[in-house]
Amino acid sequence: DAGVTQSPTHLIKTRGQQVTLRCSPKSGHDTVSWYQQALGQGPQFIFQYYEEEERQRGNFPDRFSGHQFPNYSSELNVNALLLGDSALYLCASSLGQGGSGYQETQYFGPGTRLLVL
Amino acid sequence: EDQVTQSPEALRLQEGESSSLNCSYTVSGLRGLFWYRQDPGKGPEFLFTLYSAGEEKEKERLKATLTKKESFLHITAPKPEDSATYLCAVQKVSGANSKLTFGKGITLSVRP
Repeated sequence: DAGVTQSPTHLIKTRGQQVTLRCSPKSGHDTVSWYQQALGQGPQFIFQYYEEEERQRGNFPDRFSGHQFPNYSSELNVNALLLGDSALYLCASSLGQGGSGYQETQYFGPGTRLLVL
Repeated sequence: EDQVTQSPEALRLQEGESSSLNCSYTVSGLRGLFWYRQDPGKGPEFLFTLYSAGEEKEKERLKATLTKKESFLHITAPKPEDSATYLCAVQKVSGANSKLTFGKGITLSVRP
């Protein structure tokens, strides 16, 4: 059973550039959440997608946007990168409302390490 | 605002020396409290979910407990492979699959 996968594993960008990170949820899951984890900190919630719509959003600027596809995979886009955007970006999947076997546990992928120079 | 505070920030144990990690939380309406383990450079690995005060769950050398204000992760006779950062997170009652609010984590080092 494939777990949550993310690509790429590492990425180096310069200030002002744009980046797209990708996530495939665990088999059978339909909800994807994105988190940002700075060094030495706990993960911070960015947003959550269910049924191809953004359902919840954390305290992140509009430079952070996302998308969910019909196969439940998701993308996180960050525009106009700042040095402070350097972090580990985590994707978590879970089974959302309306699915059989409802569960709340979010399972995380390995993350994408983004370095902004 | 929901808050999660973990203590201590770092803990060094000798192999076999049992101890506890603390997670204090403030949340209006707790749906669940989650413990994750995170190895350096990797994503968090799910350990336990606790839903109500008094609940306990065990897995190998780990035991998690929950009260109305805090949770403890007890580690019995730890081994070097238990070295990792342990994250605590809360989820509030505001719709299914609502966001997780994490603490900063506790870095555990177990010396052989």
